[in-house]
Amino acid sequence: DADVTQTPRNRITKTGKRIMLECSQTKGHDRMYWYRQDPGLGLRLIYYSFDVKDINKGEISDGYSVSRQAQAKFSLSLESAIPNQTALYFCATSAMIRDRGRTRETQYFGPGTRLLVL
Amino acid sequence: DAKTTQPPSMDCAEGRAANLPCNHSTISGNEYVYWYRQIHSQGPQYIIHGLKNNETNEMASLIITEDRKSSTLILPHATLRDTAVYYCIVRVIYNFNKFYFGSGTKLNVKP
Repeated sequence: DADVTQTPRNRITKTGKRIMLECSQTKGHDRMYWYRQDPGLGLRLIYYSFDVKDINKGEISDGYSVSRQAQAKFSLSLESAIPNQTALYFCATSAMIRDRGRTRETQYFGPGTRLLVL
Repeated sequence: DAKTTQPPSMDCAEGRAANLPCNHSTISGNEYVYWYRQIHSQGPQYIIHGLKNNETNEMASLIITEDRKSSTLILPHATLRDTAVYYCIVRVIYNFNKFYFGSGTKLNVKP
């Protein structure tokens, strides 16, 4: 979805390096998320934020940190990258929508960042 | 959140209906069934969700059994662009912070 953008799209780094993945959204959603995807494991939640002052750990937060600089921006940092952090990383936003008289929640994902840690 | 079981892959002829099953025998009363799909490493895309009634939208239909232990996603007229991995997830509504995508079903739509 073009309303959720991620930079960079691809990154190769070395063990021990600090790296930041950035996410921006133009959907005006309060909630933002970072996931990683590994083959056979589906997507797993790293961190999530319900608004600018709210940051929460997900299932696999160790080795990661985040910053919610504004409603539209949510960055993920790997303080000291290690090879098992090689994965496809997705940022997402969510909101509740009124649709045909019902409230529906949905989530929008960015295009992903492919990270390789050597 | 309850875990789900899906077949690893399915084939479907273009123009025919694709019926993707999902078992969620440990689903609890306040958990919804969600379906997403992912096309070749792009970001996952929301398709549909439901609690106990069948649901239909512009993309698909969702059939949930009366005991809610299984469901079926139906793509009425599959196209080649529907080739993707389809994920069935059960979780409490509004709770995106805890859910597990699992391995999904790879749907291959063939000409």
